[in-house]
Amino acid sequence: DAKTTQPPSMDCAEGRAANLPCNHSTISGNEYVYWYRQIHSQGPQYIIHGLKNNETNEMASLIITEDRKSSTLILPHATLRDTAVYYCIVTEYGNKLVFGAGTILRVKS
Amino acid sequence: DAGVIQSPRHEVTEMGQEVTLRCKPISGHNSLFWYRQTMMRGLELLIYFNNNVPIDDSGMPEDRFSAKMPNASFSTLKIQPSEPRDSAVYFCASSFSGSNQPQHFGDGTRLSIL
Repeated sequence: DAKTTQPPSMDCAEGRAANLPCNHSTISGNEYVYWYRQIHSQGPQYIIHGLKNNETNEMASLIITEDRKSSTLILPHATLRDTAVYYCIVTEYGNKLVFGAGTILRVKS
Repeated sequence: DAGVIQSPRHEVTEMGQEVTLRCKPISGHNSLFWYRQTMMRGLELLIYFNNNVPIDDSGMPEDRFSAKMPNASFSTLKIQPSEPRDSAVYFCASSFSGSNQPQHFGDGTRLSIL
């Protein structure tokens, strides 16, 4: 599976959009981009995934660049409850998730 | 809907003792995963099952660890004998089988081996 690179931490003001970047320059054609998050003391939570088209659900939007070498997870109106570690994972098979260090997102009031 | 249920939530025991962690997957899901999370190594996949059959156990650290799934609604992860370095949070997750089905995680078992 392709390796991903994420910033170690980010801050966001409450009510503003949180844009979390992820680089995956070695992604192959069959690999999907997954995003999970882990709120303190809880299990990871699935957010969204995509192959090449942009995706949106009730939690977030996923923007994948045309060359697929990077993506951005967007939380449109961040709340304090969105403070968590966000993991970007690239995998051909959703059943083989390899978690990196992720990005610690701190939402501040 | 009930999510993935893990028990116990916390376990403290002395080294050398047998430890059994339990997991009830979401009803209808036929893939089940066991993960371990530590500060040093992060979140690691230990083993996963598809239709109650172990598919990949390459992440199981050593023979002291074993996992079973006797039926579609129950799985166990056993450590015998336990060692202090096994202290970690153990997560169970489940999903529908097939490629690119999102995994749903339980809240984990925090295991401390003294």
